[in-house]
Amino acid sequence: DAGVIQSPRHEVTEMGQEVTLRCKPISGHNSLFWYRQTMMRGLELLIYFNNNVPIDDSGMPEDRFSAKMPNASFSTLKIQPSEPRDSAVYFCASSGDRAVAYEQYFGPGTRLTVT
Amino acid sequence: DQQVKQNSPSLSVQEGRISILNCDYTNSMFDYFLWYKKYPAEGPTFLISISSIKDKNEDGRFTVFLNKSAKHLSLHIVPSQPGDSAVYFCAASAKGTYKYIFGTGTRLKVLA
Repeated sequence: DAGVIQSPRHEVTEMGQEVTLRCKPISGHNSLFWYRQTMMRGLELLIYFNNNVPIDDSGMPEDRFSAKMPNASFSTLKIQPSEPRDSAVYFCASSGDRAVAYEQYFGPGTRLTVT
Repeated sequence: DQQVKQNSPSLSVQEGRISILNCDYTNSMFDYFLWYKKYPAEGPTFLISISSIKDKNEDGRFTVFLNKSAKHLSLHIVPSQPGDSAVYFCAASAKGTYKYIFGTGTRLKVLA
């Protein structure tokens, strides 16, 4: 299996622009997570999907952030409009069991820079 | 409010010696703990975990110790190797939940 796939790997955009990050989870996994990594706060969970349904979006910073999972093999995280403070590395992770704290498999991340 | 804290942002150790990475937590509902390892330009990868019913779990050179009364866990790497140089994240989860709370990470550098 190729693991969790994220695209793009790097994104540089200007403040105010829309940014879309993409994720393909591991086939057969039914849980998908979006995280943001910053120096100050480490890895923060933004949103969690189970069976394509958003279960917990309490970590989404504000209305500028939105996430979708139209099917079991694809998810997007959108920021509109983007701001310099959104600059961070965004990770997608997937796992195979919702009921327990199961090992999560992370993608390589998207490094976002907003100027 | 950081529920999982890694108070040492960095650590340097000589090759062959022991590396000890520490993690403290505040939520007494946490009952499952994990360590993830992250190389530059890669996502974190699972290293080792421990359930609150145990106080030690060992996997090769890696051992995790859990002290529930102190709400403290540590990762020991013996012997340390240059390839162990990475950022190590501690994470915790409460029973029946999906949510991991991660620490801010400790950057380990193993000197040859």
